[in-house]
Amino acid sequence: AQTVTQSQPEMSVQEAETVTLSCTYDTSENNYYLFWYKQPPSRQMILVIRQEAYKQQNATENRFSVNFQKAAKSFSLKISDSQLGDTAMYFCAFLYSGGGADGLTFGKGTHLIIQP
Amino acid sequence: DTGVSQNPRHKITKRGQNVTFRCDPISEHNRLYWYRQTLGQGPEFLTYFQNEAQLEKSRLLSDRFSAERPKGSFSTLEIQRTEQGDSAMYLCASAGGASGANVLTFGAGSRLTVL
Repeated sequence: AQTVTQSQPEMSVQEAETVTLSCTYDTSENNYYLFWYKQPPSRQMILVIRQEAYKQQNATENRFSVNFQKAAKSFSLKISDSQLGDTAMYFCAFLYSGGGADGLTFGKGTHLIIQP
Repeated sequence: DTGVSQNPRHKITKRGQNVTFRCDPISEHNRLYWYRQTLGQGPEFLTYFQNEAQLEKSRLLSDRFSAERPKGSFSTLEIQRTEQGDSAMYLCASAGGASGANVLTFGAGSRLTVL
């Protein structure tokens, strides 16, 4: 079974700063997907970014980018030019690409606070 | 399509009562998942449907829990003889169609409070 670890329970930065959230995972699989989901105070989980393990190029989505290190089993999220609306819980998640029957395995989350 | 819809959004019940939650997935999605999320934790997988077939169940899903997805459309999650430890947010997610089998779209959740 896979595990996902987020070692930062909470982070706080000033608006417009860049912040990096860390995530490590453990799996014996070779083909999988990694995700970052955002859960604002309204609690609906929103997909931020995803990475296919077979792709070496790091995924980017506007202000959001990842640093995927497959050998190190590390998958960090960088948020550039942070905005007040980025305040939320951020969850790193793993999905085995062999069937998806178990769905996503989530970390415990990082509470990101953007200060004005 | 308005996304994944869950009802009720909040349910308060007394210990020992039965509760049922409903999830309406995105119409073209054939995969449907239920998760449970307690305060300060990430969501934990409960069960998975592909169309109407329940293909996977977590050990977290005790015999007091049952889920159905008749005709592969909406799904229900029933909890019988609720206990205080069942208090949590129950999240539904669906996947499939044009968005791909590996991108889960979540509903807003149904919060259960057992007194």
